[in-house]
Amino acid sequence: AAGVIQSPRHLIKEKRETATLKCYPIPRHDTVYWYQQGPGQDPQFLISFYEKMQSDKGSIPDRFSAQQFSDYHSELNMSSLELGDSALYFCASSLLVLDEQFFGPGTRLTVL
Amino acid sequence: DAKTTQPTSMDCAEGRAANLPCNHSTISGNEYVYWYRQIHSQGPQYIIHGLKNNETNEMASLIITEDRKSSTLILPHATLRDTAVYYCIVRVAISGNTPLVFGKGTRLSVIA
Repeated sequence: AAGVIQSPRHLIKEKRETATLKCYPIPRHDTVYWYQQGPGQDPQFLISFYEKMQSDKGSIPDRFSAQQFSDYHSELNMSSLELGDSALYFCASSLLVLDEQFFGPGTRLTVL
Repeated sequence: DAKTTQPTSMDCAEGRAANLPCNHSTISGNEYVYWYRQIHSQGPQYIIHGLKNNETNEMASLIITEDRKSSTLILPHATLRDTAVYYCIVRVAISGNTPLVFGKGTRLSVIA
């Protein structure tokens, strides 16, 4: 069965650079979520989209923005990167009528 | 703030049942109990969820007390591959696209 695809899987950036993370949800899923998991921490919700509109917002820094495109893929844009942004970034997708979120393998971002 | 309390860690012998408790004393009438697990930096994986009745699927059983203030996730025959962090999450599921709020979780170690 198709799963959530995230790219890239690993990304290394310098401080103050920008990064773009991509997420391709399971086909026909209408909701995408982004979560951040710092080293030794639990996943924290950043932002979500339903049918290409932002639906919920969590603890997402103002330096980050995200959108969902017409083909339902989503991108998380991160600017002015800081050392503390080093983390695993997970994308998950779901279908409104179902209760289960399916997570991707994550993108490991390292900021040097 | 997380609405659940779980033990920090537990051990279980391989082949035995693993019983993971969760307290959610402030749960509301429209909130479900969800369980997810995360195996070593992989994306979290859905296990099971319930409202007030006990639930069972191919992965686990969920026992919810009558007052709904606590629940237990049961892995009937734990294997080494069940070693993971298990998250108990309380979540409104009126619409399926509400984000997950992860607490601290229980680190389950299955021992041969």
